[in-house]
Parts: sequence; C-alpha cells; structure tokens
Amino acid sequence: AQSVTQPDIHITVSEGASLELRCNYSYGATPYLFWYVQSPGQGLQLLLKYFSGDTLVQGIKGFEAEFKRSQSSFNLRKPSVHWSDAAEYFCAVGVTTSGTYKYIFGTGTRLKVLA
Amino acid sequence: DAGITQSPRHKVTETGTPVTLRCHQTENHRYMYWYRQDPGHGLRLIHYSYGVKDTDKGEVSDGYSVSRSKTEDFLLTLESATSSQTSVYFCAISIRGQETQYFGPGTRLLVL
Repeated sequence: AQSVTQPDIHITVSEGASLELRCNYSYGATPYLFWYVQSPGQGLQLLLKYFSGDTLVQGIKGFEAEFKRSQSSFNLRKPSVHWSDAAEYFCAVGVTTSGTYKYIFGTGTRLKVLA
Repeated sequence: DAGITQSPRHKVTETGTPVTLRCHQTENHRYMYWYRQDPGHGLRLIHYSYGVKDTDKGEVSDGYSVSRSKTEDFLLTLESATSSQTSVYFCAISIRGQETQYFGPGTRLLVL
C-alpha cells in the first residue's frame, strides 16, 4: 500500500541553525513529491515540488528538498532557520491508483524555533 | 493565490444536525477536493470532483456527501453530524488534475 512517513512529529531548532525534515514514501514507482507548510490557523502553502529532472529542488522561503530514489526519500532542508519558519510541515506524494490520481499526506512535523 | 474561499470559516453545531460547507473558486478549475485534517492523521481525502456533477469518493467518505452543480462551487454535506466529524476541513483545487493541489483557508467544525 502507498504511504508517506514523516518520522519526526516535533522538531526544535535554534534560530539560525540548519534544518532537515525527513520524508519517506512507499510506492511502486516515482511519485510526484510535494512539501507544504501550514502556519497556525491557516491553510497549506506549497513550498516546493518534484516531478522529474534535477533531484535537488529549490522552493520558496529559502527551502530546498532532495529526491533520493534509492532511499525513497524527499527530505526538506533549510540552511538557516528564521523564527517565522515555526509551523507544521507536510510531505505529500501524488500517485495514480486504478487510473485515479490522488495525494497521500504524511502526518506532519511541527517545527519550533528557539530565539 | 488560487482564488479559493471556504464558508463558513468556523461552525459549531449539535450532533444529528445537517451541515453544509462551501468551497468557492474563482478560476474555473476542473478538479476540486475535500479533505479533513485531524491530529496524527495529516490530511485525508473525503470526496473529489472532476467536473460539474462528476464526483467520487475518497478514503474517508462515510457520513459525507458532495455536490457540484457549478464549476466554481463544491459543497460538502454532513447529513447528520457526529462528534467524530469534528475536524478542520480543507478544500483544494488542481489545474490539470494530475499535478499540484492548492488549498483553501479551511473550515473549523465543532460537533457537540
């Protein structure tokens, strides 16, 4: 069965430190890959996406993600975290099953930033 | 900004009452989706639509129905609300149905 795993429920980092949020998926082919961010009380905003090509993808707000086929991973990174990055982050994959395309979401990682 | 609005943004209702949530988009995209978000579960698909009057079930469709009589509006109805349907509901659209989804601001529903 297809699934998305975000193994870290909570992560705390200091402002200015680097960040890596993990995402692993289970799917028989290479899916479309997405990272979204959700600030408290808000909807989901697309950070970046991967469909094909260069496996290092640049997104908004200084985020990047790297697709590693051998590890079925799509980890999100940022070299220097800002206090405004505190939010919940969701990894999602787009897969096609029985001719129907759908998203599967991870359960999210909540990021706390210390001043 | 994908031009998606949801109404109401907040609602409190009682068990057994019907509830309808509305998703409105301004750009005539064909594909629309309803999700619910619960702690520990991420977002789960309730129903989706691939055109006017064309809808299908997602993974958590029990207790929910949808309608789409106009391209711009996608309605989610809880026929008889239960406490297990307390959640945050998100509408999403996609432009070509096989790529990126864009999300509305959400509706927070509390069923007492």
